[in-house]
Amino acid sequence: DVKVTQSSRYLVKRTGEKVFLECVQDMDHENMFWYRQDPGLGLRLIYFSYDVKMKEKGDIPEGYSVSREKKERFSLILESASTNQTSMYLCASTGDTNTEAFFGQGTRLTVV
Amino acid sequence: DAKTTQPPSMDCAEGRAANLPCNHSTISGNEYVYWYRQIHSQGPQYIIHGLKNNETNEMASLIITEDRKSSTLILPHATLRDTAVYYCIVRVYRDDKIIFGKGTRLHILP
Repeated sequence: DVKVTQSSRYLVKRTGEKVFLECVQDMDHENMFWYRQDPGLGLRLIYFSYDVKMKEKGDIPEGYSVSREKKERFSLILESASTNQTSMYLCASTGDTNTEAFFGQGTRLTVV
Repeated sequence: DAKTTQPPSMDCAEGRAANLPCNHSTISGNEYVYWYRQIHSQGPQYIIHGLKNNETNEMASLIITEDRKSSTLILPHATLRDTAVYYCIVRVYRDDKIIFGKGTRLHILP
C-alpha cells in the first residue's frame, strides 16, 4: 500500500517554540504539499515542492518555512509558533503530472 | 482561488444514488477534473478523475458535460460510510498546485 506518513497525529507546543512537522512518502513521488485545514476555511495550501531542494509558496506561507533535503521527506517548520497556527496540518504527495494526490492522516497541532 | 463551485451540503437516502454536482465554467482544455472526499478526521482520499470522457471505477462514476463546464460525481448506492465532504478540483496541466474549494458535505440518511 502506498503511504504518506506524518510524524505525529497530535502535538501540543508553546507559543514561541520552533516546531517541525515531518512528512515522509514511500512512493518516489516528485511533488509534495503542506496544507492546513480550519473549520469554515477548508484546506489551504501553505507550501509545495516539486523536487529536492525546491519549494514554492502556496496561498498562506506567512509564518512557515519548509525543507526538502531528500525526495521522500518534506518538513514544515513553524519558526516561532503562535496560537493562530493551531490547526490540522495535512501533507500530500503526487507523482507525474495529473496523477492523484495521496494524503497523510494529518497532524492536529495546538499552540498554547 | 479554487476554480470550482459546489453546493455546500446535500442529503441522500441510504441505498440511493448520490449525485454531486460541480461547476467549473472556466476550465481550460488541458485541465483535468478530480474528485476527492474527506471523512471526518482523516486526510482526503482520491476518488476519480477525468478529462472529457465519462469515467467509472469501483468507487464512483464521473460524468463530464460535453462543454466540460460542469461535472457530476455519482455514488451509485450510497451507504452511511459515504458521509463525507466531497471536493471537486480542477488541476492545471503541468502546474503541480492542488487548490481545494469548500466542497460539498454529503449526509447519508438511514
